[in-house]
Amino acid sequence: GNSVTQMEGPVTLSEEAFLTINCTYTATGYPSLFWYVQYPGEGLQLLLKATKADDKGSNKGFEATYRKETTSFHLEKGSVQVSDSAVYFCALSGYTGNQFYFGTGTSLTVIP
Amino acid sequence: EADIYQTPRYLVIGTGKKITLECSQTMGHDKMYWYQQDPGMELHLIHYSYGVNSTEKGDLSSESTVSRIRTEHFPLTLESARPSHTSQYLCASSPGGYNEQFFGPGTRLTVL
Repeated sequence: GNSVTQMEGPVTLSEEAFLTINCTYTATGYPSLFWYVQYPGEGLQLLLKATKADDKGSNKGFEATYRKETTSFHLEKGSVQVSDSAVYFCALSGYTGNQFYFGTGTSLTVIP
Repeated sequence: EADIYQTPRYLVIGTGKKITLECSQTMGHDKMYWYQQDPGMELHLIHYSYGVNSTEKGDLSSESTVSRIRTEHFPLTLESARPSHTSQYLCASSPGGYNEQFFGPGTRLTVL
C-alpha cells in the first residue's frame, strides 16, 4: 500500500544553517508529492509540490526534488530563519480521491 | 477569494454536550475531509466525502458523524462530547485526482 516515512524530530537549528528533512514514500503508480507547513495554532499550508519524476518544487527558499529511483522527496533550505520554525509534513496523493497520505510531521525550531 | 473556513476556532465545553464543528469551502471542490490532530502532531483521517450525499469513515475510529447536503458545507457533529475528544480538528478540501488538499485553520476543542 501507499505510505510516507518522514524524518523524526524535533530538529533544532541555528539561524542561517542548512536544513534537510528526509521523506521517503511507498506508492503504486505515479503519485504527486507535497510538503506542507503548519505554524502554531494554524492549519496546514501547501509549501511546494511535484507531480512527476525529476520535478523540483520550490517556494520561499525551500526546495524538494521528486526522486523516483530512491522514492524520496527530501525538503531542503540553504539558510533557515527564525520565522521558519514550524511543523513540516510530507504527503503523497494517488489518483483515487481518498489516497492522500501524510507523514508524521517534523517539528523545526530555529534559534537566533 | 476562494477559501476554506472553520468555526469556531476554539471551543471549551462540558462533558455530555452536543457540538457541531462547521467547515465551508468556496472553491467548488467535490472532495472534503476531516482530520483529528493529536498533540504529537500526527494527522488521523476520521471522515471524508466525495460529493453531496456521500460520506465515509476514515482510518481512525471516531464517535463523530458528518453530513454533506451541500457541496460547500461539511459539518462534523459530536452527539455527546467526552474528554477523550479533546483535540485539534482540521477540515480540508480537494478537487481530487493528483491535486493537493487545502486546509482550514482548524478548531481546537477542549472537553472538560
